Amino acid sequence: NAGVMQNPRHLVRRRGQEARLRCSPMKGHSHVYWYRQLPEEGLKFMVYLQKENIIDESGMPKERFSAEFPKEGPSILRIQQVVRGDSAAYFCASRADGGRGNEQFFGPGTRLTVL
Amino acid sequence: DQQVKQNSPSLSVQEGRISILNCDYTNSMFDYFLWYKKYPAEGPTFLISISSIKDKNEDGRFTVFLNKSAKHLSLHIVPSQPGDSAVYFCAASDDYKLSFGAGTTVTVRA
Repeated sequence: NAGVMQNPRHLVRRRGQEARLRCSPMKGHSHVYWYRQLPEEGLKFMVYLQKENIIDESGMPKERFSAEFPKEGPSILRIQQVVRGDSAAYFCASRADGGRGNEQFFGPGTRLTVL
Repeated sequence: DQQVKQNSPSLSVQEGRISILNCDYTNSMFDYFLWYKKYPAEGPTFLISISSIKDKNEDGRFTVFLNKSAKHLSLHIVPSQPGDSAVYFCAASDDYKLSFGAGTTVTVRA
């Protein structure tokens, strides 16, 4: 039973480019969470999605960031016109239906570097 | 606003001794607390948790203590082993949103 998969593991972008981060939840999990970890800080909640629905995006910056979790395929975190301050590790977590909201399993993360 | 704080960025302990990691929180609505362990270039892995209705939870070498009145929890690892060297994150939630501390890097010396 594969765990949460994220790709790419490392992503380098120049300022102004777009970054697309993908997350495949664990099999049977329909809830996905995205967190961001800046250097020397803990993980910070960004967005919570269920299949085809955004449940809570209170942690997402209002501009340039968007997330989706389509009926088929992985969840995508999209950052448009990246800036240096977007450099961070982005972690995805998933949980099963019926599980406690905080029983989340994390992927290995995508490390985004903006040059 | 930092609702979960780990004030010790690092801890060095000798193999076989006890490691004690501390965590403080400010949000009285938090009702579930978790500790995660993280190795470099990997995601956090769940270690142990405790509900706010309890004050202690034990799992093998790991014990978490919760002091609700002080809004403080701690993780005890005994005996510490070299494989325990990692970053440990304290997290708290009141529903589905996890709030994390900044982490404590534990180094277990042989």
